Amino acid sequence: EAQVTQNPRYLITVTGKKLTVTCSQNMNHEYMSWYRQDPGLGLRQIYYSMNVEVTDKGDVPEGYKVSRKEKRNFPLILESPSPNQTSLYFCASSFLGQGSYEQYFGPGTRLTVT
Amino acid sequence: ELKVEQNPLFLSMQEGKNYTIYCNYSTTSDRLYWYRQDPGKSLESLFVLLSNGAVKQEGRLMASLDTKARLSTLHITAAVHDLSATYFCAPSPSFGAGSYQLTFGKGTKLSVIP
Repeated sequence: EAQVTQNPRYLITVTGKKLTVTCSQNMNHEYMSWYRQDPGLGLRQIYYSMNVEVTDKGDVPEGYKVSRKEKRNFPLILESPSPNQTSLYFCASSFLGQGSYEQYFGPGTRLTVT
Repeated sequence: ELKVEQNPLFLSMQEGKNYTIYCNYSTTSDRLYWYRQDPGKSLESLFVLLSNGAVKQEGRLMASLDTKARLSTLHITAAVHDLSATYFCAPSPSFGAGSYQLTFGKGTKLSVIP
C-alpha cells in the first residue's frame, strides 16, 4: 500500500531533550516536506527536500533540523525542543513528474513539550 | 513571498444550501491543490487544478482555477453533513522564483448543520 508513515504518533517530552520524528514513504517520491499545524495559523512548512541531500527552509525552520540521506526517509530533528514547538506535525511527499506538487500526507505526530 | 488567503475561515451552513470558498494567492502560479482534513485526521488531496480555467468536480464539490486573477474557488452544492471538514488550498511554487516552498491557506472550517 502506498503510504507515508511517521513515528511516533504521539510524543510528550521535556524542554531541551533532543528528539527525532521519523518519516518514510514507499512511493519513490522526490519531494518530501515537514509541516506544523497550529490553531489559527493553519499549515506551515518547516523544511522541504527536492531529492537526496537537497534540503531547504520553509516558512518556520527555526529550531528544527532535517536530513535526506535516502530517498525514502526524511527525519525531523529537534535538538533542543521548547514549549513553543508543541504542535501537530505532518510529513508529506510528492512525485515531481510533470511539475506536480500534489502532497501525500502522513498520519501526523502530536508533540507536547513541557 | 507567496501569500495565500482563504475566505471564509469558518463557515456554518445548513444542509441543502450552496456556498463558495475562495482562495486568493499573491504570485504567479499555474497550478493549485485543494485538500480536505476531517477532524482529528490527516490531510487528503481533493482536487488538482493544472491550468488556467481548469474545473474539477466530485460529488457536491466543484473547484475552479483562474490563474490570471490568482483565484481558485471551491463551490459546495446542496451541502450534506458528510462535507463537514477543513479545506485547504495550496498553489504550486512559482517556477523561476528559485524556491520550491509550498504555502497553504489557513483553511476553511466547514460545519454543515442538519
